[in-house]
Amino acid sequence: QKEVEQDPGPLSVPEGAIVSLNCTYSNSAFQYFMWYRQYSRKGPELLMYTYSSGNKEDGRFTAQVDKSSKYISLFIRDSQPSDSATYLCAGLRSGNTPLVFGKGTRLSVIA
Amino acid sequence: GAVVSQHPSRVICKSGTSVKIECRSLDFQATTMFWYRQFPKQSLMLMATSNEGSKATYEQGVEKDKFLINHASLTLSTLTVTSAHPEDSSFYICSARAPSESTDTQYFGPGTRLTVL
Repeated sequence: QKEVEQDPGPLSVPEGAIVSLNCTYSNSAFQYFMWYRQYSRKGPELLMYTYSSGNKEDGRFTAQVDKSSKYISLFIRDSQPSDSATYLCAGLRSGNTPLVFGKGTRLSVIA
Repeated sequence: GAVVSQHPSRVICKSGTSVKIECRSLDFQATTMFWYRQFPKQSLMLMATSNEGSKATYEQGVEKDKFLINHASLTLSTLTVTSAHPEDSSFYICSARAPSESTDTQYFGPGTRLTVL
């Protein structure tokens, strides 16, 4: 079993829809969880960072972590065509260790 | 957020030559940097973990003599692809650890696209 599981999609939604992206993880040692957005031929961009269970909101983005079920989610409200990208979830044990990524979900928001 | 740069952004070289890629943390000191490669439509693959002042730790299957990593300062790590071959053509991305009082995460550079002819 991979440490971080993520459905690769692709996921296609109409503009304005609420998008839900999800990952599960198996390593209880993960302390931090991140969501990155990667556009084609670009490096990943950090979107959201969470440490504990609960919700964290930043503009149209909400990250949710449930450590009891080892489930992490990213919600995008009022999705825009510019949100079309690959979204990567990641777990981190400690700062000196590498991120453990899911496979990434490719999202297309159709105008 | 913290800024990580990479240079060059794109390089084309002949088979058999060596290519050096630089990764810099511009507004913070990074004791740990990571190097990844990514093939088209695939996820990031970790190549090595680089700690300032010490030897890099390579992932299984990554040839350390072919992919030389140097992390000589707190803001610079370099990856040298030695005797490059067409199968080394890929997108190489670095990330840098950015710890603070409230967070401990990693920021990525924009990537370097290597094409070996």
